[in-house]
Amino acid sequence: GEQVEQRPPHLSVPEGDSAVIICTYTDSATAYFYWYKQEPGAGLQLLMSVFSNVDRKEEQGLTVLLNKKDKQLSLNLTAAHPGDSAVYFCAVGSNTGYQNFYFGKGTSLTVIP
Amino acid sequence: GGIITQTPKFLIGQEGQKLTLKCQQNFNHDTMYWYRQDSGKGLRLIYYSITENDLQKGDLSEGYDASREKKSSFSLTVTSAQKNEMAVFLCASRSLGPQDTQYFGPGTRLLVL
Repeated sequence: GEQVEQRPPHLSVPEGDSAVIICTYTDSATAYFYWYKQEPGAGLQLLMSVFSNVDRKEEQGLTVLLNKKDKQLSLNLTAAHPGDSAVYFCAVGSNTGYQNFYFGKGTSLTVIP
Repeated sequence: GGIITQTPKFLIGQEGQKLTLKCQQNFNHDTMYWYRQDSGKGLRLIYYSITENDLQKGDLSEGYDASREKKSSFSLTVTSAQKNEMAVFLCASRSLGPQDTQYFGPGTRLLVL
């Protein structure tokens, strides 16, 4: 089955710096890609969704890059601020059947004021 | 917009006890999911349901039962709580539109004494 690896598990950056989180997946049939943010005590909040026909998507200070050849998905937070401190998860889904979504193990991001 | 509600928010149980978690969604989504979140392990799928009265086992279904009583609600039962168990259970529902996105509830935090 699908394997999703997410790195790094922990990330600290000064306020104003960028933060990059990377996920790799194994199933070439994977067609749907997501990034979620989880704040303490809360559920997962969808940040961005990307489909396999898109290589780059930017929204509100976030950039998602999809490299299908290397089966790699990345999230770049440009000019991070303390409110971005949270756990971030990538998730992927295939194009077959009633999708089981596969999640990375999460990256705990701390933005230092 | 819609919302996913999970009850209770916190659940404290005794070893061997049967415990039930409830989830309600008003998105009118067909598919609903239960995930277990353990620290450092990401999300693991317990059960999902593609329509009322349907149940599909995920990777972590052993030790759990589920029930999709109606389209808007999906319950999860821990059949015999394990001593010192601590986890967060997240319910999600999914649209079938082009964005094919999962939306998450806030979670139920379980502690077994």
